[in-house]
Amino acid sequence: AQSVTQLGSHVSVSEGALVLLRCNYSSSVPPYLFWYVQYPNQGLQLLLKYTTGATLVKGINGFEAEFKKSETSFHLTKPSAHMSDAAEYFCAVSEGRTGNQFYFGTGTSLTVIP
Amino acid sequence: KAGVTQTPRYLIKTRGQQVTLSCSPISGHRSVSWYQQTPGQGLQFLFEYFSETQRNKGNFPGRFSGRQFSNSRSEMNVSTLELGDSALYLCASSLGTEGSAYFGPGTRLTVT
Repeated sequence: AQSVTQLGSHVSVSEGALVLLRCNYSSSVPPYLFWYVQYPNQGLQLLLKYTTGATLVKGINGFEAEFKKSETSFHLTKPSAHMSDAAEYFCAVSEGRTGNQFYFGTGTSLTVIP
Repeated sequence: KAGVTQTPRYLIKTRGQQVTLSCSPISGHRSVSWYQQTPGQGLQFLFEYFSETQRNKGNFPGRFSGRQFSNSRSEMNVSTLELGDSALYLCASSLGTEGSAYFGPGTRLTVT
């Protein structure tokens, strides 16, 4: 069985500060891991993904995440927050190889304070 | 390349009615998945279709069904609507083999 836990349903950071959104996963097979962002009244936009290979993955808009197998984590970071980063962020896991059934975390709402 | 499109974007239905939602995937994508998003339950997987066959199914009652056509377009049907079916229904398309899924803007269904 697969599951995702996102620590912190609400995170607030000042503009220009580090963004850190936490994600821990549980998977019985090597996971595929994803971060998606959702703006109000919109669908989900893929930020980045980890499937195999390099454990530090870079995504769009300056975001990156590191896959740490020993900690079963896939935390999302951005060195300097921008006002436009305010949104809901979802971490997801899938088996990948047998289809696109994603298990999502409950989401983290990011607020950026000017 | 055009993204995933979903129609209609907004829908209001009455309890007991049925509804059909449509999803057109990105050109060349053969996998279409459906998700229900609610404030209480978050994002939950409904089902996935790949080359017109249901490949995976989530834990939803039989009132929720879907299908995929030869052009990869997919429809989702909900029969005998309940108030709890009010949600944002998201469709995601992918090649089906490499993991990434691209989501449409969703259909906001309100059941009164």
